[in-house]
Amino acid sequence: QQQVKQSPQSLIVQKGGISIINCAYENTAFDYFPWYQQFPGKGPALLIAIRPDVSEKKEGRFTISFNKSAKQFSLHIMDSQPGDSATYFCAAIMEYGNKLVFGAGTILRVKS
Amino acid sequence: DTGVSQDPRHKITKRGQNVTFRCDPISEHNRLYWYRQTLGQGPEFLTYFQNEAQLEKSRLLSDRFSAERPKGSFSTLEIQRTEQGDSAMYLCASSRGGGEETQYFGPGTRLLVL
Repeated sequence: QQQVKQSPQSLIVQKGGISIINCAYENTAFDYFPWYQQFPGKGPALLIAIRPDVSEKKEGRFTISFNKSAKQFSLHIMDSQPGDSATYFCAAIMEYGNKLVFGAGTILRVKS
Repeated sequence: DTGVSQDPRHKITKRGQNVTFRCDPISEHNRLYWYRQTLGQGPEFLTYFQNEAQLEKSRLLSDRFSAERPKGSFSTLEIQRTEQGDSAMYLCASSRGGGEETQYFGPGTRLLVL
């Protein structure tokens, strides 16, 4: 019940295209859903986050879509650039919780 | 504004040796977390501090692992009698607390046990 399932495992997108990464969860006590971007040899960096009372959140080229009834959320990267090539992790945390539960990650490669 | 810092960035040790890692959180962040990340996986929670109190420990944290945050500022993670299975990236994160859940991660310490 603590798991967050992420797909796809890897993704190749042409420059200028849309990258879409999906996550699903079971625990309805999860209350906060961040996405992290990680480059090789670096720690995860917060990209964007959403709470379940909002269906969509957009920051620049990055959009989270949230479907509370389906217990699914996704990250859309518009106009994908080679610099976006990285590993992306979805995560979840319970209200007043202490630990992030991460998905397994998606390796994104944007071809120029 | 400095982010979370970790030291060392890389550590190579022989099996059976003890190692200690340090984490300096963002100043005024009350909460500090340790995670472990193995190749191709997402980070996994190890332990969490609220100020100097260690409030939660994962089952992943065997008795060879100990973490401290003596004055509620920096934290250390020690691994005794290292095993090859301990090879991983050890990540530290901090958050403001008080309902603010956003966790900010440091660059990590990559441990290789030979």
